[in-house]
Amino acid sequence: QVQLQQWGAGLLKPSETLSLTCAVYGESFSDFYWNWIRQPPGKGLEWIGEINHSGNTNYNPSFKSRVTISVDTSKNHFSLKLTSVIDADSAVYYCARGMVARPKSWFDPWGQGTLVIVSS
Amino acid sequence: SSELTQDPAVSVALGQTVRITCQGESLRSHYASWYQQKPGQAPVHVMYGKNNRPSGIPDRFSGSWSGNTASLTITGAQAEDEADYYCNSRDSSDNRVLFGGGTKLTVL
Repeated sequence: QVQLQQWGAGLLKPSETLSLTCAVYGESFSDFYWNWIRQPPGKGLEWIGEINHSGNTNYNPSFKSRVTISVDTSKNHFSLKLTSVIDADSAVYYCARGMVARPKSWFDPWGQGTLVIVSS
Repeated sequence: SSELTQDPAVSVALGQTVRITCQGESLRSHYASWYQQKPGQAPVHVMYGKNNRPSGIPDRFSGSWSGNTASLTITGAQAEDEADYYCNSRDSSDNRVLFGGGTKLTVL
């Protein structure tokens, strides 16, 4: 059974870079998209971006200038970097495996979530 | 075509049937998937495609779709179904992933 386990710094100051990593257990990187999704406190889900095993990325235009998602297939990890964070970037960040089989797609499973707080 | 709209809140009596809807132009070309989220927990995938349940999801959950609207129906709602529900799709023009704003389901 596939499991995702994520980690990274939980407290940042404005202008710093958010950095999170997600480890994939029980599955290879092939045939899937590996996603980052966030949820500000008390709000809904917001997709940040995705990467496949070849390193091809697809980002939410809202983040495009600040976000980098990368993959390390040798470690079965993928990572998120978000630069120049502000208070509004405070959220629970989730990694998730994405399956795309047009016209269907879904996210399953999800990581446990990492709370990131941006505060001066 | 870049938005998915959900009712913010819906309630249902215990054991009754409730339908949660999701509207958006992207749904005309890409099915919705649905996620259940309980407080303090990560979302759980409960439906995908036209009407496909992941393994382990009770058969009281079903999905449907027509035009620009996708629906998640719970037949015989249980207390443990009380949660936030999110729909998700993809914009076919730019491959962007979309989420609805979420529906808070209360089981009375």
